[in-house]
Amino acid sequence: SQTIHQWPATLVQPVGSPLSLECTVEGTSNPNLYWYRQAAGRGLQLLFYSVGIGQISSEVPQNLSASRPQDRQFILSSKKLLLSDSGFYLCAYRDKRNYGYTFGSGTRLTVV
Amino acid sequence: GNSVTQMEGPVTLSEEAFLTINCTYTATGYPSLFWYVQYPGEGLQLLLKATKADDKGSNKGFEATYRKETTSFHLEKGSVQVSDSAVYFCALTRNTGGFKTIFGAGTRLFVKA
Repeated sequence: SQTIHQWPATLVQPVGSPLSLECTVEGTSNPNLYWYRQAAGRGLQLLFYSVGIGQISSEVPQNLSASRPQDRQFILSSKKLLLSDSGFYLCAYRDKRNYGYTFGSGTRLTVV
Repeated sequence: GNSVTQMEGPVTLSEEAFLTINCTYTATGYPSLFWYVQYPGEGLQLLLKATKADDKGSNKGFEATYRKETTSFHLEKGSVQVSDSAVYFCALTRNTGGFKTIFGAGTRLFVKA
């Protein structure tokens, strides 16, 4: 079966520290992968998407970057976090069975 | 450009009441339309979908019909339960390129016993 894992679930980081959030998918090959951010009480903002290994498209220029070193691994990074990077980060892949997205359980990041 | 607009919440209903959450969209081409649900502290789950005009998506008593003439995809349920309390997101996916999905701002639903 297809599953998606995202970790850590929660993270508290000081301003200026680096960030690495990881997402892995099982049970499917060559998925489209996505990183979204959800600010408190608001909708979802697409940050990055990838259609294949090493292929990253950025939707919003900001303090974050993404990488896809393996087919089913998607990483969100930052060299120096800002307070405004706080939010709920969601990884997703496009499920070819139902055309929708399957989301991970999310990472709640608080920058202090 | 492409966008999704849904009614602001919160929506508060009593158990067994009828639910409607309005959603309209602007899109080039022929997108697929979706409703997702988010329970507290969790990621989003796909609730239902419609991939072409006049399609009706349905799941767990929820329904929505893809209306191209009114560019709408309103979510309905005949009798809500306390367990339906969540945030509901309307979304569209362009069926090109990276299949990027644009989400509405979400509508929070509270159902009282």
